[in-house]
Amino acid sequence: DAGVTQSPTHLIKTRGQQVTLRCSPKSGHDTVSWYQQALGQGPQFIFQYYEEEERQRGNFPDRFSGHQFPNYSSELNVNALLLGDSALYLCASSLEGNRFSLHFGNGTRLTVT
Amino acid sequence: GDSVTQMEGPVTLSEEAFLTINCTYTATGYPSLFWYVQYPGEGLQLLLKATKADDKGSNKGFEATYRKETTSFHLEKGSVQVSDSAVYFCALSDLMGSTSYGKLTFGQGTILTVHP
Repeated sequence: DAGVTQSPTHLIKTRGQQVTLRCSPKSGHDTVSWYQQALGQGPQFIFQYYEEEERQRGNFPDRFSGHQFPNYSSELNVNALLLGDSALYLCASSLEGNRFSLHFGNGTRLTVT
Repeated sequence: GDSVTQMEGPVTLSEEAFLTINCTYTATGYPSLFWYVQYPGEGLQLLLKATKADDKGSNKGFEATYRKETTSFHLEKGSVQVSDSAVYFCALSDLMGSTSYGKLTFGQGTILTVHP
């Protein structure tokens, strides 16, 4: 049973570019959340998707957007990249009705130069 | 808003030493509390949780007690092993809130290194 898978594992982009990160949730999970973890910091909540809709959002600008597909997989898009967007981006999945059981992927390391 | 504060790190211990990592929180509701562990190159794994005051979460020899009066959730282990070396995150979530949907608020993390 595959857990949460994220791609790519590493990515290098230039300031001003756009990036798309992908996440496949654990089998049976229907809810996907995204977190940003800057170096030496704890993860910060970006947003959560359920039933293909963004239903909760953290304190992140509109440059951060996402999507959830009918198969529950998800994408995180970041436009107009800034140096400060360099971080580990974590995807977490869960099953609605069992919010205690959150499973994290290994993350995508984004470096903006 | 909600926040979590962890003790400053890093923490370096010898094998079989006693471990305490302090965690305090601020929350407007009645949060559930968690400890997550992150091994090098891996994602976060849930270590233990407690959902109401005075609950004790435990797993793999680690334990933490939900103390509402002191708003704390300190992590302890009686005898650490080299394999416990990792980053430990305290977190909270207002899982019972009507609009929380399980969002986690994390502390800044504590790096633990255990030497043989």
